[in-house]
Formats: sequence, structure tokens, C-alpha cells
Amino acid sequence: DVKVTQSSRYLVKRTGEKVFLECVQDMDHENMFWYRQDPGLGLRLIYFSYDVKMKEKGDIPEGYSVSREKKERFSLILESASTNQTSMYLCASSLSQTGGEQYFGPGTRLTVT
Amino acid sequence: QKEVEQNSGPLSVPEGAIASLNCTYSDRGSQSFFWYRQYSGKSPELIMSIYSNGDKEDGRFTAQLNKASQYVSLLIRDSQPSDSATYLCAVSKGGGNKLTFGTGTQLKVEL
Repeated sequence: DVKVTQSSRYLVKRTGEKVFLECVQDMDHENMFWYRQDPGLGLRLIYFSYDVKMKEKGDIPEGYSVSREKKERFSLILESASTNQTSMYLCASSLSQTGGEQYFGPGTRLTVT
Repeated sequence: QKEVEQNSGPLSVPEGAIASLNCTYSDRGSQSFFWYRQYSGKSPELIMSIYSNGDKEDGRFTAQLNKASQYVSLLIRDSQPSDSATYLCAVSKGGGNKLTFGTGTQLKVEL
């Protein structure tokens, strides 16, 4: 079974703090993705990566950056957390050879106060 | 026009009935189609994928794809209360490309 893990289930941070969200997958997937999910807005793609050290912006990259130094690990960074970044953050991974089936981690519920 | 559209629901069906969930998409270049189930407070779980026109069955689930009409559906036979969840439709241009998700349809299976 594909396993995608995220560093925290719940996180509370203060406005202006730098926040790191970590994601690790154990199935040697090339592709990794970061989403946020908000009521009424659905899943929105923040950033994705097709390979180590490669990254591409998704639909809502503003205020975020990412890092992929190793194939199995994809980090999402909030440079200066703001209250509008309070959300559920979901990491996913997929194989390039498949049709795009993505497997999700359990999510991190981030609250910025 | 949204890229992937779903009726938000809630869709209520009695236990044992067939639940029919629908999704339309706007990009004719889309090649891969997925249904995810998401329980409240949990992450999405892949339940079906379909790549060619027609039906694909897996247990109580059937995915249907009609590329000419840009329409994909999910049928759940013999619905159970445990099927109560939000169902997300997702579309891709194939390969490892990113998915575009609909906002989901909430399904409630009532006793």
C-alpha cells in the first residue's frame, strides 16, 4: 500500500511565524503535490514537483514556497503565516507512469492566530 | 465555467438504493478521470479510475465515462450508511499531470 505521511495532524501558529509542513511518501513516486482544502472552495493546488529539486506553481502559490531535496520528501513553507492561511493542508503523491492516480496523506489542520 | 463541476448536494438516498453521482468537465484534452471518497475530517481516498469511454465496475461501484458529452458518473449500488461521505470528481490530462478537482457531492445514505 502507498503510504503518505505528514508531520503533524494539527498545528497552531501565530501570525508572522515561518511554518514548515513536511510530507513523506514511501512508494518511490516521482510526483508530489501540496493542496489546501477550504469549505466551499474544494481542493486547490498550491505547488507540485515532478522530480527532486524541481517545482512548479499550482493555482494558488502566493505566500507559499516548497522544497524537494529528496525524492520521498516534499516540504511546504509558509514564509510569514497569515490568518487567511488557516486551512487543511493535504499532501499527495503519484507515479508518472500511471494515469495520474494520486494518494493523499492524512492532512494537517493549520490554524494561524 | 468551472473546469470540473459537481452538484454539491446533499444527495440523500435510502439504504439499499442506487446512488448516482455526476460530474462534467470542460477540457476536451482530459484523458484520466477519478473518483475520490472523503469522510468528514479525513483525507480523500481514491475509489475508482477510468480512462476510456464506457463503464468500469469494481464491487458495488461503477464509473461511467462519456468523453463526447464530457461527462463522468459514479454509481453506488446497494448503498450503505458507511457510504455517506463527500465524493470528489477529479480530471487529468494523463501521465503524472496534476488533477483538477470538483468541489464534491455530499452523499447521505439514510436508514
